[in-house]
Amino acid sequence: QVQLQQSGPGLVKPSQTLSLTCAISGDSVSSNSVAWNWIRQSPSRGLEWLGRTYYRSKWSTDYAVSVKSRITINPDTSNNQFSLQLNSVTPEDTAVYYCVRGTYPVGFDYWGQGALVTVSS
Amino acid sequence: DIQMTQSPSSLSASVGDRVTITCRASQGISKYLVWYQQKPGKVPKLLIYAASTLQSGVPSRFSGSGSGTDFTLTISTLQPEDVATYYCQKYNSAPLTFGGGTKVEIK
Repeated sequence: QVQLQQSGPGLVKPSQTLSLTCAISGDSVSSNSVAWNWIRQSPSRGLEWLGRTYYRSKWSTDYAVSVKSRITINPDTSNNQFSLQLNSVTPEDTAVYYCVRGTYPVGFDYWGQGALVTVSS
Repeated sequence: DIQMTQSPSSLSASVGDRVTITCRASQGISKYLVWYQQKPGKVPKLLIYAASTLQSGVPSRFSGSGSGTDFTLTISTLQPEDVATYYCQKYNSAPLTFGGGTKVEIK
């Protein structure tokens, strides 16, 4: 059974960097048949896909245009986890953040528990 | 980027009613369409993938259809436990955009 455990601060100051980590059990971050995604949800923006990392003989990432200049998603093979960094945050980045496994062509089949991140001074 | 538009944004129906939710893609996505159910306070759950394939464990009253730009999620006989918000998502290539959601309530 795949489990995703999120960790990271729940409060970030404006202009600072939001950092979250997702620890994977029951699968490998280096699996060549899945992708590891970050999604956020807020009342104003609904469900918003932020980006993903995946391994297909080499590591690749895809990012949403809305955050492309501010986001980094990195795999950590030593600890079997992946991370999200979102720079220069504003209150509009306040949301529940989810890490999610994506399986092709099925979809997002395993979700982390979600973490509310508030951007406020 | 391809936009995903759901309608209606909310609906209220009686137990036992047939409920239909529509999702439209701004460009063709073949059958790369996924439906999720999110109950209040819970994580989204995958219901249907490849437009019409029921995920394991999902009740057979749920069904999906469509291809190209127009897709439908149908609940054949609405049950009280189906109160939730339903989202569609394109899954052919990045960005993996979601629709705005349809909130289903019991009348």
